[in-house]
Amino acid sequence: GEDVEQSLFLSVREGDSSVINCTYTDSSSTYLYWYKQEPGAGLQLLTYIFSNMDMKQDQRLTVLLNKKDKHLSLRIADTQTGDSAIYFCAGRGSQGNLIFGKGTKLSVKP
Amino acid sequence: SAVISQKPSRDICQRGTSLTIQCQVDSQVTMMFWYRQQPGQSLTLIATANQGSEATYESGFVIDKFPISRPNLTFSTLTVSNMSPEDSSIYLCSVWASGDYGYTFGSGTRLTVV
Repeated sequence: GEDVEQSLFLSVREGDSSVINCTYTDSSSTYLYWYKQEPGAGLQLLTYIFSNMDMKQDQRLTVLLNKKDKHLSLRIADTQTGDSAIYFCAGRGSQGNLIFGKGTKLSVKP
Repeated sequence: SAVISQKPSRDICQRGTSLTIQCQVDSQVTMMFWYRQQPGQSLTLIATANQGSEATYESGFVIDKFPISRPNLTFSTLTVSNMSPEDSSIYLCSVWASGDYGYTFGSGTRLTVV
């Protein structure tokens, strides 16, 4: 089954770019996802990428997919304090559910 | 995408009691899931809620402890039975609708068992 790994913490300064990395094991995942969770809140879908794509850009967000290395990254340009949150990478499991990484806590310093 | 109303948003319960969490969707959805997020942890799938039949549980989760109902394509409940402090977590429902690319999540139920 799918297994998803990501680094636990990232700290950046306001205005810098943030890059959050993720690796996965199941190359059959059709879609890969990035979710954002702010303190005390549910999960918000940020973006997704289809497995036949290498890159997807959506405003300040850029997703890169390296299928050979099974590596996914999320780049946030011009990071703001409002971007402070936990970011989860997820792939699709055998039941049609999502399988999540442990989450990367992004801290943005002014 | 679908809009989910999940209730209650939080509760403090006595050990040994049960709590039922409701998930109402504003449109018919193909798949509904229940997840648990323990403090500081990632999300773990409890079960897939199947319309009109028994839920499909993940390893480590059993029907007697987490009974689930899904009477139609827009509604599901999860009950946390005979609660202990170890059940203190956030419980989230999630749906996937045909034609959607992403999965939508409810706002979660923050459960504290004392």
